[in-house]
Amino acid sequence: NAGVTQTPKFRILKIGQSMTLQCTQDMNHNYMYWYRQDPGMGLKLIYYSVGAGITDKGEVPNGYNVSRSTTEDFPLRLELAAPSQTSVYFCASRLQGPEGPEQYFGPGTRLTVT
Amino acid sequence: GESVGLHLPTLSVQEGDNSIINCAYSNSASDYFIWYKQESGKGPQFIIDIRSNMDKRQGQRVTVLLNKTVKHLSLQIAATQPGDSAVYFCAEKGGTASKLTFGTGTRLQVTL
Repeated sequence: NAGVTQTPKFRILKIGQSMTLQCTQDMNHNYMYWYRQDPGMGLKLIYYSVGAGITDKGEVPNGYNVSRSTTEDFPLRLELAAPSQTSVYFCASRLQGPEGPEQYFGPGTRLTVT
Repeated sequence: GESVGLHLPTLSVQEGDNSIINCAYSNSASDYFIWYKQESGKGPQFIIDIRSNMDKRQGQRVTVLLNKTVKHLSLQIAATQPGDSAVYFCAEKGGTASKLTFGTGTRLQVTL
């Protein structure tokens, strides 16, 4: 299994541009999550999904959108990039249920908005 | 969860010594408490978790202690090695979709 993969690894955007961060997992996990991590900080939850067709807001959803058309993919969309969205973005997944293995994280996408 | 400022707390230990990393959590209703390790340029990696009805859990070279009275969690690493150098985060798990709330990160530096 490749686990959780994210593309691109790095990206520089100009203010106002849009982009989609891709996330794919091949572990047949129901739950998927998007986090952002600012320098020297912990991770903050942006959006999450409990299955295909179901998404919900996390702690910091403003400026982002998500979709979950398949179990495998959970893309994160930035419509009008702002400097405040400069961060490292991590996608994660896990099987449903409180027991069992914890969230598996992807390698991250480092985004700079200038 | 709590966030830290731009300067992470740093714990510096000598190779072979034991390390103790501490964390304060906020939600007494969380089901599980988890420790993650994050190496530079990588995503967090699961280390160990503990259920809210336990006080202690041991893994390979790691022990997690939970004190619910004071909402405190600690990670003990025995015989610390250079490969243990990383940022360590505690996280609370609970609610819909087993969401994680990350707490204060601590940078562990292992000196030779």
